Amino acid sequence: EAAVTQSPRSKVAVTGGKVTLSCHQTNNHDYMYWYRQDTGHGLRLIHYSYVADSTEKGDIPDGYKASRPSQENFSLILELASLSQTAVYFCASSAQRGAYAEQFFGPGTRLTVL
Amino acid sequence: GEQVEQLPSSLIVQEGASVLINCSYTDSASVYFPWYKQEPGKRLQFIIDIRSNMERKQNQRLTLLFDKKTKHLSLHITATQPGDSAIYFCSARNMGYKLTFGTGTSLLVDP
Repeated sequence: EAAVTQSPRSKVAVTGGKVTLSCHQTNNHDYMYWYRQDTGHGLRLIHYSYVADSTEKGDIPDGYKASRPSQENFSLILELASLSQTAVYFCASSAQRGAYAEQFFGPGTRLTVL
Repeated sequence: GEQVEQLPSSLIVQEGASVLINCSYTDSASVYFPWYKQEPGKRLQFIIDIRSNMERKQNQRLTLLFDKKTKHLSLHITATQPGDSAIYFCSARNMGYKLTFGTGTSLLVDP
């Protein structure tokens, strides 16, 4: 089974601070994704990447940056954390872009911004 | 863009009962519909999927029905067990990268 890990698993940040969430996959997948989960909204796509050193915007990219330094690693960066960014963040990976490619999810990072 | 809705938002059933979770989508370009289960504090786990050229798919106690005309899916879970307690997410995907999730259905199975 695909192995996607995230760190940290939980974090408390202060408003205006910088936060970096990390994701690592060991499955040789080209595609990686960052989602946030809020109660009542399901999961929403923030950024994704299909190759190292390149990232693309998803549906809700405002306030977030992403970095893909290697095929295995994908980071989500909140330069100036805000209260509204309190959520659970999930990373996922898939082997290919095609419509039928299964996405494998990490365990999530619970971020609380105070 | 694509919108995916699920009903009901929550369910409580007795162990052994059957449940039905409904999902509707708006984008006729969506061709693939994976469903995920999320147990408390855990990652999303793929449970079943269906493609737009199919009408029905079964995986043990799970049956997924798809109606392309009405843009509607139904997930039927039979003989529920306490281990089925989780949030269930419907999702829809077009031929590209984008997977759009529904808001989830929280299922609680009382032993």
